[in-house]
Amino acid sequence: EADIYQTPRYLVIGTGKKITLECSQTMGHDKMYWYQQDPGMELHLIHYSYGVNSTEKGDLSSESTVSRIRTEHFPLTLESARPSHTSQYLCASTYSTGELFFGEGSRLTVL
Amino acid sequence: AQTVTQSQPEMSVQEAETVTLSCTYDTSENNYYLFWYKQPPSRQMILVIRQEAYKQQNATENRFSVNFQKAAKSFSLKISDSQLGDTAMYFCAFMNPPNFGNEKLTFGTGTRLTIIP
Repeated sequence: EADIYQTPRYLVIGTGKKITLECSQTMGHDKMYWYQQDPGMELHLIHYSYGVNSTEKGDLSSESTVSRIRTEHFPLTLESARPSHTSQYLCASTYSTGELFFGEGSRLTVL
Repeated sequence: AQTVTQSQPEMSVQEAETVTLSCTYDTSENNYYLFWYKQPPSRQMILVIRQEAYKQQNATENRFSVNFQKAAKSFSLKISDSQLGDTAMYFCAFMNPPNFGNEKLTFGTGTRLTIIP
């Protein structure tokens, strides 16, 4: 299995709370990504990073923000969660070979 | 922008049979990468097979093979001797070449494959 970890795996919170989804990889990959996936549906890229201090917004607009202060760490933050943010969030990383290594995902439910 | 289309939302097949999943894509680029990813229920997404567009030979990984038709922009996945562990969502994906400045995967909508015992 790939060495990329996401926490928490499951999170249920109330509207208006601030949350941070953690993603760490031990493979030394420069490129990291966050995808949003509704159950049984396609993946939508919401953020990506090509290295430390590099972050870009993806194809799907998202109210979340990301940071990349260390190569191995790429957290995603929602300042004020809403029910519309309920989804699964998948973190991934890669070398420049095109193969993405995915974490197990963080399933977020906002009540 | 590139698009990836998977026209089969769900498929099922008897164990040990062969199944083919379809994928078409749209791009104006000549060089690119195509992938099939597998997402088992409640488990990590993993790479099944990869094809580089400049290679004419179809990629093969054990029981998994692709039929890459560049002119038709078609990239189907064939699973031979299907096993219960093949039950999963399968996503077709497209990526521009590394160092192209746009190294993002574009995914299709997925095909839910069920292998019947």
